Amino acid sequence: GAGVSQTPSNKVTEKGKYVELRCDPISGHTALYWYRQSLGQGPEFLIYFQGTGAADDSGLPNDRFFAVRPEGSVSTLKIQRTERGDSAVYLCASSLKATYEQYFGPGTRLTVT
Amino acid sequence: AQSVTQLDSQVPVFEEAPVELRCNYSSSVSVYLFWYVQYPNQGLQLLLKYLSGSTLVKGINGFEAEFNKSQTSFHLRKPSVHISDTAEYFCAVSSTNAGKSTFGDGTTLTVKP
Repeated sequence: GAGVSQTPSNKVTEKGKYVELRCDPISGHTALYWYRQSLGQGPEFLIYFQGTGAADDSGLPNDRFFAVRPEGSVSTLKIQRTERGDSAVYLCASSLKATYEQYFGPGTRLTVT
Repeated sequence: AQSVTQLDSQVPVFEEAPVELRCNYSSSVSVYLFWYVQYPNQGLQLLLKYLSGSTLVKGINGFEAEFNKSQTSFHLRKPSVHISDTAEYFCAVSSTNAGKSTFGDGTTLTVKP
């Protein structure tokens, strides 16, 4: 079956602009995670959803970052007033249930100029 | 809080030689442990996982890892590597009652002919 998909694969934006990154999880997976991976580092947790609600958003760096999952499937990560330091690869993962094995998407590479 | 330390940032090795990639973790609660592989320009793929039971875990592509609770380690091994094993390897830990994973900074395995 289809894996986790993320769109766009690449996004270049100017400092100060607003961006949305989309994640389509594996069908039937109730848990969805967002991570951020900077060059030379491992993925860093941002937020995870169980169903429609954010079960843990402790990794969001500040209030410019927000994520939603209104119908318990697709999720959108929203970044306001982007800064150059937001440049990274944003990874999405899903799992059948929380604590189960996570399946990762290919990521969205965000570049803020 | 949890943390993961991958002790070697780069490991060069000749083809058909054995390899060990080292991972130590810190956690105040019970954990699950994972190793992921990331090939160039691809997403993270799960190699193997330790959830419970036998401390020796076998994964895909001939890799195995041993969970050592007393040393808080989860080292990855392969008895004979191939050129195609060249990739970035990430160790990760999650608590048994929460979904998010904490990743190490990765080890670059380079297999030379």
